[in-house]
Amino acid sequence: DQQVKQNSPSLSVQEGRISILNCDYTNSMFDYFLWYKKYPAEGPTFLISISSIKDKNEDGRFTVFLNKSAKHLSLHIVPSQPGDSAVYFCAASGGSSGDKLTFGTGTRLAVRP
Amino acid sequence: DAGITQSPRHKVTETGTPVTLRCHQTENHRYMYWYRQDPGHGLRLIHYSYGVKDTDKGEVSDGYSVSRSKTEDFLLTLESATSSQTSVYFCAITPGGSGANVLTFGAGSRLTVL
Repeated sequence: DQQVKQNSPSLSVQEGRISILNCDYTNSMFDYFLWYKKYPAEGPTFLISISSIKDKNEDGRFTVFLNKSAKHLSLHIVPSQPGDSAVYFCAASGGSSGDKLTFGTGTRLAVRP
Repeated sequence: DAGITQSPRHKVTETGTPVTLRCHQTENHRYMYWYRQDPGHGLRLIHYSYGVKDTDKGEVSDGYSVSRSKTEDFLLTLESATSSQTSVYFCAITPGGSGANVLTFGAGSRLTVL
């Protein structure tokens, strides 16, 4: 039972263009959402988060959008840079899981020079 | 990663042997977690700890045990390793409170069970 889903295993984008990574969740009790970025042979690192009381959070080139009615969140990277090439995981917490995070399966982003 | 180290980073072992992975932190964070990462599954929680000698099971705890006798160390043990436990294991820490959701991960331990 995958409560957090990333349906696109991979995405390729031209440098300078926008990257949009998507994430869907099924548990309506989730109230906090995060994105992590992972380079090969390293641990995931926190990128950006959003609370369910907001629908948008921005940090530099990264913006996360939350659509609670659709149980959908997305990460926008503008402009995309080759150094953004990594695996991106979305994660959610709340409800009976408390502070424990439930992760999606990840999307591998490749930014072409 | 600064403040959190995992050992060993790589290990190859045979089916049926015991294996212990160590996570050591210098941040004095209360919460520690063990995840495994597998293709098609993302990161799945194995066990977690909310303090010394306070541990609980995650979603994929079968075949694993943990111990936390000191704040800084969280050990993950495979009593009798199986090929299905071949994976990359990540330890994570967080101070709890308002920052509870933001985890800091170690660099990972790649385990191969032959």
